[in-house]
Amino acid sequence: AQKITQTQPGMFVQEKEAVTLDCTYDTSDQSYGLFWYKQPSSGEMIFLIYQGSYDEQNATEGRYSLNFQKARKSANLVISASQLGDSAMYFCAMSSNDYKLSFGAGTTVTVRA
Amino acid sequence: ETGVTQTPRHLVMGMTNKKSLKCEQHLGHNAMYWYKQSAKKPLELMFVYNFKEQTENNSVPSRFSPECPNSSHLFLHLHTLQPEDSALYLCASSQDRFTRFYEQYFGPGTRLTVT
Repeated sequence: AQKITQTQPGMFVQEKEAVTLDCTYDTSDQSYGLFWYKQPSSGEMIFLIYQGSYDEQNATEGRYSLNFQKARKSANLVISASQLGDSAMYFCAMSSNDYKLSFGAGTTVTVRA
Repeated sequence: ETGVTQTPRHLVMGMTNKKSLKCEQHLGHNAMYWYKQSAKKPLELMFVYNFKEQTENNSVPSRFSPECPNSSHLFLHLHTLQPEDSALYLCASSQDRFTRFYEQYFGPGTRLTVT
């Protein structure tokens, strides 16, 4: 069974600063995908970034980057230059051989002006 | 319309009612999913459809009945629900069901309250 752990229930960050959201995962599979999603208070889950287990370079999408450390089984999300609109719940998710997407408990980010 | 749409956005129903949730994706995807999100719990996968065929039923009670008439539409039929079924129900789609390679795109969800 795969397990996703997000140990930070909530974080505060100052506008224009960077914030790192932690995610560790547990799987015995060699091929898997790691995802980060953003969920604003409106409820919609917004896909942010993807990292494949065989990708050698860390994924980046605009202000989002994924710090992938395979040996440590961690996939931290870094949001640079935080904006007020980044305030939301952030979920780490993983999928491997059983073709299901498993989500962590989430981290609430609050950006302060 | 673009992306994944869901209707209604909010639903209040009694335990004896029958209602349906609708999901439509405009992305040309082949796989569609229903998730349940309860307060303080991770998202729970309920059902998976790939090319209109149900491929996963994650031990969901029979009072939830999915229907997928084509690759673009997904329904969740509800009957004799319990108060603990109150939650946000999210629909998602992806290119196909090999979820380790393809991201899922979610709709805005239906906030269901069972009284």
